[in-house]
Amino acid sequence: DAMVIQNPRYQVTQFGKPVTLSCSQTLNHNVMYWYQQKSSQAPKLLFHYYDKDFNNEADTPDNFQSRRPNTSFCFLDIRSPGLGDAAMYLCATSRDAGGSSTDTQYFGPGTRLTVL
Amino acid sequence: QKEVEQNSGPLSVPEGAIASLNCTYSDRGSQSFFWYRQYSGKSPELIMSIYSNGDKEDGRFTAQLNKASQYVSLLIRDSQPSDSATYLCAVYSNSNSGYALNFGKGTSLLVTP
Repeated sequence: DAMVIQNPRYQVTQFGKPVTLSCSQTLNHNVMYWYQQKSSQAPKLLFHYYDKDFNNEADTPDNFQSRRPNTSFCFLDIRSPGLGDAAMYLCATSRDAGGSSTDTQYFGPGTRLTVL
Repeated sequence: QKEVEQNSGPLSVPEGAIASLNCTYSDRGSQSFFWYRQYSGKSPELIMSIYSNGDKEDGRFTAQLNKASQYVSLLIRDSQPSDSATYLCAVYSNSNSGYALNFGKGTSLLVTP
């Protein structure tokens, strides 16, 4: 089955220790997104890639970076995690990014990040 | 600020009843609307999408859209305890980085046996 995969499912890191979260997809979608979701809050878009074109949201902290080495994989790097970065990190994909009916976003299972 | 508003609930309905979930949005130019279900500790799962005014039915789920009133709803017929989850309304709006999917905070639904 075509799907969005995230690894690891649970990640524990120490305050200030860099961490990388991974996302892969078999849907062959052009767009890959990273969201942060804290408890009882809506998912918050951090950034997205349209193919190799990186699009950062204006309020995403510099502490968060992303890489997309090929169509299938996308990584979220948190350079110096703080206690406030503990959250569920969601990867999503869509075929296109025009806000139309072909742009349904499909989510991976998420990575729960704990910062000690 | 383009907003998507939902009543946080919890909305409690007995098993077999109809659950009605509502959502309003602020961007009049929005064209695509989605409902996601999210179980506690899990990721959002697409339930339905709707793009045209009126009703769209898929099994026990019906999405309703009224663009003039900027209102979208989800009806769940014959509610089951397994439907207990948070339901997220999501709306595509134009943002500084292109089109972005804006989520409401979700409505918590509890279906009691």
